[in-house]
Amino acid sequence: AQSVTQLGSHVSVSEGALVLLRCKYSSSVPPYLFWYVQYPNQGLQLLLKYTSAATLVKGINGFEAEFKKSETSFHLTKPSAHMSDAAEYFCAVSDSSGSRLTFGEGTQLTVNP
Amino acid sequence: SQTIHQWPATLVQPVGSPLSLECTVEGTSNPNLYWYRQAAGRGLQLLFYSVGIGQISSEVPQNLSASRPQDRQFILSSKKLLLSDSGFYLCAWSRAGGRSPLHFGNGTRLTVT
Repeated sequence: AQSVTQLGSHVSVSEGALVLLRCKYSSSVPPYLFWYVQYPNQGLQLLLKYTSAATLVKGINGFEAEFKKSETSFHLTKPSAHMSDAAEYFCAVSDSSGSRLTFGEGTQLTVNP
Repeated sequence: SQTIHQWPATLVQPVGSPLSLECTVEGTSNPNLYWYRQAAGRGLQLLFYSVGIGQISSEVPQNLSASRPQDRQFILSSKKLLLSDSGFYLCAWSRAGGRSPLHFGNGTRLTVT
């Protein structure tokens, strides 16, 4: 069975600071991994995905994530936080059938001026 | 391009009343369809998914049901709502086959009073 654990339910950074949101996965098959962002009262929007090609994946809005098999991690980063980055972020892993995603509990990112 | 429509955006229903939430997808054929629930301060819980017309898989036992009467239509229903059914309901679709990302609707905020 696949699962993801997001380390830290709340992360707070200053505007312009590095953003690091942590995700660890467990998978019995080579994983496909995803990061989504959710703004208040909206659906989830795909930020980026890892599908066994390059281990460093670049996404929208300046975010990127690095797949590290040895650490079973897929952390999300952004060099410089903007106020507009304040949202909830979800890491997800696809099951072996490809028909379902399992989501982490989410990390609420706060950006302070 | 593909679009997903979900309605209504908000809904307030009394305990014991019925529920019908509708979701439609445009611009693609034979999508996988999903219903997720997001309770306050919690992650996403997969409720139902469907890989074809009339094919529904239920992930958790509850008083909700789902139906897929047409290829791109997915309906979430209940005969009698419970207080615990309150939450944010999200419909999503993905391409059939392979491990592709989910694309979400804007969600329905359901409050059961």
